[in-house]
Formats: sequence, structure tokens, C-alpha cells
Amino acid sequence: DQQVKQNSPSLSVQEGRISILNCDYTNSMFDYFLWYKKYPAEGPTFLISISSIKDKNEDGRFTVFLNKSAKHLSLHIVPSQPGDSAVYFCAASLQLSDYKLSFGAGTTVTVRA
Amino acid sequence: IAGITQAPTSQILAAGRRMTLRCTQDMRHNAMYWYRQDLGLGLRLIHYSNTAGTTGKGEVPDGYSVSRANTDDFPLTLASAVPSQTSVYFCASSDETGIGYTFGSGTRLTVV
Repeated sequence: DQQVKQNSPSLSVQEGRISILNCDYTNSMFDYFLWYKKYPAEGPTFLISISSIKDKNEDGRFTVFLNKSAKHLSLHIVPSQPGDSAVYFCAASLQLSDYKLSFGAGTTVTVRA
Repeated sequence: IAGITQAPTSQILAAGRRMTLRCTQDMRHNAMYWYRQDLGLGLRLIHYSNTAGTTGKGEVPDGYSVSRANTDDFPLTLASAVPSQTSVYFCASSDETGIGYTFGSGTRLTVV
């Protein structure tokens, strides 16, 4: 059973608007969370991460929010650009024990011009 | 350019055949991983290695084997391929912080 879930397989957004991607997890022991971006025919690339001791991390247009009590995190992209069209994977790990990542199924974002 | 090299980029394989997917990194990362990507399931861990000489099973290890003879190479072998192993396979590595994997470009494998 998947421990990291992305329930929205796709998202379409107008250029310049906000994209919000959601991710839920079931293992309360996860202590580190990451987002990866993947273009077709390429490997995933690291985008942004957050430790469980924080509730927000920001890097340019990308912000990740963590709600530990709800076991939920989200990625906000503001403003969305055509180059943001890609598949986004949410991932989680147990850093104290190992660094293996558990991934969600991914959300395909399409930014419309 | 530092990173991970996977070979082949794609392969069509007859069921029952043996196949080794190659993965080489030049970043001297201790940990390496093999994932498979399937639609609706995301990336699932097949096998991993925390350091040269050690390996471990991931979420979906059946039908696959790995070895880690040195730091740079982490081949994945399908002993007798089956159609359910049709997938895109990604090799990845991470340093001791474990923060942010580096992925290869993937191998698209079709078993017929």
C-alpha cells in the first residue's frame, strides 16, 4: 500500500496563476519531504524539500507547506510558467534510519498560455 | 558532466531472456537506488545499496537482482524477464545527507 499519495493525477492552470499540488502520507515517522519535477524522457530532478521540524520552505517561485497533524503537504508555484509543465512527484523519507524515498504517483501539471 | 549514466536508453526484450541494465555514477555517492516508474503508481524502489559491497531489497524486488562491487557501478539484472516488468527504470544516487537524489535519464524496457 502506497505510503505517499497524490490524489490528483493532473492539473491545468493558466500562465501567471498559482499552481497548488497536494500530497498526503500515512507514515507518521516520515521526517523529510521532497518534491521532484520530471520532464518527458528525462529523469526526475530535485525541486524543493522540507524537514518535519518546519512548516514552510520557500525557494523563488516554489513554496512547500507541511501540516504534520494532517499528514499533508502542498507545493505552490507562483506565478506558473509554461516551463513548469511537467510531472511533479512528492516523496518522503525516514532520515534517522535511512534515506530511501517513498514516492507518490505524480501529478501532471499543464500550464496554458 | 557529473551525474548518472544509464544504458541502454531503451530495449525490447523477449520474455524469458536475461537482461542487465547498467548504471554508473561519477559523483562518488555512497548510496545508489533502482526505481521503476509505472503509470498511476509513481516510482517504486526495487533495490538499493547504502555503500559498496552492500545491497538491500526495496518495495518491489521480486524478479530483480543487483550487485555493488564498487562505488560507481550498480547494475540491475532481470534473470528471466516477464511482461509485467515492462516499465521505465531509473537509477539514482545520493550523498551521505540523503537530501535530493540525482537520477539518470532512465531505461525504457518492453518485455514481449
